[in-house]
Amino acid sequence: KQEVTQIPAALSVPEGENLVLNCSFTDSAIYNLQWFRQDPGKGLTSLLLIQSSQREQTSGRLNASLDKSSGRSTLYIAASQPGDSATYLCAVGTQGGSEKLVFGKGTKLTVNP
Amino acid sequence: EAQVTQNPRYLITVTGKKLTVTCSQNMNHEYMSWYRQDPGLGLRQIYYSMNVEVTDKGDVPEGYKVSRKEKRNFPLILESPSPNQTSLYFCASSLSFTGEAGYTFGSGTRLTVV
Repeated sequence: KQEVTQIPAALSVPEGENLVLNCSFTDSAIYNLQWFRQDPGKGLTSLLLIQSSQREQTSGRLNASLDKSSGRSTLYIAASQPGDSATYLCAVGTQGGSEKLVFGKGTKLTVNP
Repeated sequence: EAQVTQNPRYLITVTGKKLTVTCSQNMNHEYMSWYRQDPGLGLRQIYYSMNVEVTDKGDVPEGYKVSRKEKRNFPLILESPSPNQTSLYFCASSLSFTGEAGYTFGSGTRLTVV
């Protein structure tokens, strides 16, 4: 059974800092990995999607990497801003049986002005 | 605009009163699914549908029903809601079950059962 873990559970940084969020998964048989952002009480906004054959994806100040063999992904946020404060969720598209996204429990990020 | 639309956004109901949460997507996606999000438990899949008339259970299907009569719609039905179904619900869709184009989520439905 696929399990996804995100570390740390919460992170507080000063504005302008570069930071890394971590995601690990137990089963490397995945279709893809997707990073989402969730603001309190709101829906999920897709940030980056990495296919299983890819190593990384970039969008603006965000860069996500994927190492399928070791079951790890990182989300790098450059020059953080207060508007980046949110919960970041990592989700893995699983193969075989019940096709679904398996989510980590998220990292709650606070960027202080 | 490409989107997944859920209704209602907020709902308070009483135990045992049947309700339906609607989900509609305008992207011609084949795959649709429902998740619930609870504090400390994260997002868990309730049901999914790989195409019209094809549905299957996710991790937490008890107390829920779904139907997929049309490609664009995937309603979630609670025949007899109970307080433990109080949660934040999300509908999601993808071009196919492999999710190669990623998943799009609705804005969520916050359900309270009293």
